[in-house]
Amino acid sequence: GQQVMQIPQYQHVQEGEDFTTYCNSSTTLSNIQWYKQRPGGHPVFLIQLVKSGEVKKQKRLTFQFGEAKKNSSLHITATQTTDVGTYFCAVFSGGYNKLIFGAGTRLAVHP
Amino acid sequence: KAGVTQTPRYLIKTRGQQVTLSCSPISGHRSVSWYQQTPGQGLQFLFEYFSETQRNKGNFPGRFSGRQFSNSRSEMNVSTLELGDSALYLCASSLGRGDGGYTFGSGTRLTVV
Repeated sequence: GQQVMQIPQYQHVQEGEDFTTYCNSSTTLSNIQWYKQRPGGHPVFLIQLVKSGEVKKQKRLTFQFGEAKKNSSLHITATQTTDVGTYFCAVFSGGYNKLIFGAGTRLAVHP
Repeated sequence: KAGVTQTPRYLIKTRGQQVTLSCSPISGHRSVSWYQQTPGQGLQFLFEYFSETQRNKGNFPGRFSGRQFSNSRSEMNVSTLELGDSALYLCASSLGRGDGGYTFGSGTRLTVV
């Protein structure tokens, strides 16, 4: 089935620095979703990317889908302590009813 | 509108017992998926239900089962609990196709002792 590799596993930044997490697949993806899970919380849907080369922005967050639809990235500009949490990418495997999550990137932001 | 509701929030069980967890999806959502989250394995897909039918299943032993009722509420059951079943169990709902994003509940934290 579909799998995605997510890197890095963990990132430590100073408040105000930028942060990027990457998801890579060996096969072409139909779409990719991104979620954020705060410490002690549950995953919250952020966005879905569908088109090749797509770029979407949500305030300081920029999401990209690769031209070959095999990779995606989430970039946060000027991190804040509210950005702390684990960011997951997720892809469908075998139809739109089995969503598989990457291992996640845990972001720590130091004030 | 109300979110996804999972009960109970916390549970402590003994090895060998069985447990039933409940999930009420967002009103109008007919698809419910279940996940197991552990520090070592991350978010693992258990199964997905739509209109009372299991459409997909992850790689878990037969001790893990689920069902969905006509009102879309879902339950998952784990029989003969093992220590390794200790985890956060999350359910997520969506309209039908999940490509509009999933809404997760707060989860049930199961501890097996």
